[in-house]
Amino acid sequence: AQSVSQHNHHVILSEAASLELGCNYSYGGTVNLFWYVQYPGQHLQLLLKYFSGDPLVKGIKGFEAEFIKSKFSFNLRKPSVQWSDTAEYFCAVNARDTDKLIFGTGTRLQVFP
Amino acid sequence: DVKVTQSSRYLVKRTGEKVFLECVQDMDHENMFWYRQDPGLGLRLIYFSYDVKMKEKGDIPEGYSVSREKKERFSLILESASTNQTSMYLCASSQRGEQFFGPGTRLTVL
Repeated sequence: AQSVSQHNHHVILSEAASLELGCNYSYGGTVNLFWYVQYPGQHLQLLLKYFSGDPLVKGIKGFEAEFIKSKFSFNLRKPSVQWSDTAEYFCAVNARDTDKLIFGTGTRLQVFP
Repeated sequence: DVKVTQSSRYLVKRTGEKVFLECVQDMDHENMFWYRQDPGLGLRLIYFSYDVKMKEKGDIPEGYSVSREKKERFSLILESASTNQTSMYLCASSQRGEQFFGPGTRLTVL
């Protein structure tokens, strides 16, 4: 069965610090990969996605993620976080032939000024 | 922009009541999904639908049913609400892999 692991449940950073959130998945076939973000009181929205091509994907608000197929990983990065990045971040994966997403348990990021 | 709307942001019901959560999308997407979101558990799929009148169970369908009479509308039904169904319920629609989410309904069952 497919699964998604997010290793960091709660991350606390100061503004300007660098961010890397881990995501690993288990699935033997071809996948699409996503990072979603949920800001406090807001709905879940797409941060970035990987379907094919360049494994380094750039998303909104300065976020990027790198797909490493050999490691089944899709880690999220940002070189310098801001207070407004405080949110919950979810990694998700689906098999190429389906729209059904499997989500990780989420990482809560708190950024202090 | 894709818009997914849910009928209520907050709902309070009593144990044993029948509860209807409505979701409407305006982008003619074929696929629609219902999740519940709980702290530390992420999003768990309850039911999904790939077409009108078609439904498939997700990972946690027990205690829930769904209805999809029209393409744009996907309803989640709690036949007899219980306290362990207190949660945030998220609806999504998708086409070609990417899912778009509604604002969520926070349901409290007393």
